[in-house]
Amino acid sequence: GDSVTQMEGPVTLSEEAFLTINCTYTATGYPSLFWYVQYPGEGLQLLLKATKADDKGSNKGFEATYRKETTSFHLEKGSVQVSDSAVYFCALSVNTGGFKTIFGAGTRLFVKA
Amino acid sequence: GAVVSQHPSRVICKSGTSVKIECRSLDFQATTMFWYRQFPKKSLMLMATSNEGSKATYEQGVEKDKFLINHASLTLSTLTVTSAHPEDSSFYICSARSDRDAYSNQPQHFGDGTRLSIL
Repeated sequence: GDSVTQMEGPVTLSEEAFLTINCTYTATGYPSLFWYVQYPGEGLQLLLKATKADDKGSNKGFEATYRKETTSFHLEKGSVQVSDSAVYFCALSVNTGGFKTIFGAGTRLFVKA
Repeated sequence: GAVVSQHPSRVICKSGTSVKIECRSLDFQATTMFWYRQFPKKSLMLMATSNEGSKATYEQGVEKDKFLINHASLTLSTLTVTSAHPEDSSFYICSARSDRDAYSNQPQHFGDGTRLSIL
């Protein structure tokens, strides 16, 4: 079935370090791919999205490229800040008789000053 | 745009009571709403999907008599946890999608969640 696998956390980085959070997916059809961010005690916010192969989603310095050949959508940021500390969820949305979003397990990021 | 308001943000109540959580789409019409449950440090578990004016579709293993979902209008869905017990304590998050987005595979919009604690 459709699924999303993302790297286990927590990931701990120093401020201004480079961030990569790996995400791979399995899906029938042509899914849209998303990264959501969840700050402590809050719901999820859409961070970025890509709807077709080779699309690059970007927002707030984060970016991810939809790679169909490797079924991946890795999240990257060149220089993280303390305020980026949160849980990041990779997700896909696919039409299975109605669109459903499937989430990865989430990766917790801690950024130290 | 695309704001989803969830209320209350936190509720503490005694075992055996019923608790209602509201989810409203403030600036769009939500044809479809989703209810998730999130355990500490875990991902979101989809509980049910509701379409306006029809019965909710529950995921396998979710008790429909325990978690009552109503989606009576295009801007409001409610989740009622009936006869709540301590094991129902969790973070519940609603999400909504508009009719336009339903057929274009666009992202869902999330509420801020409700932390439910049953004593």
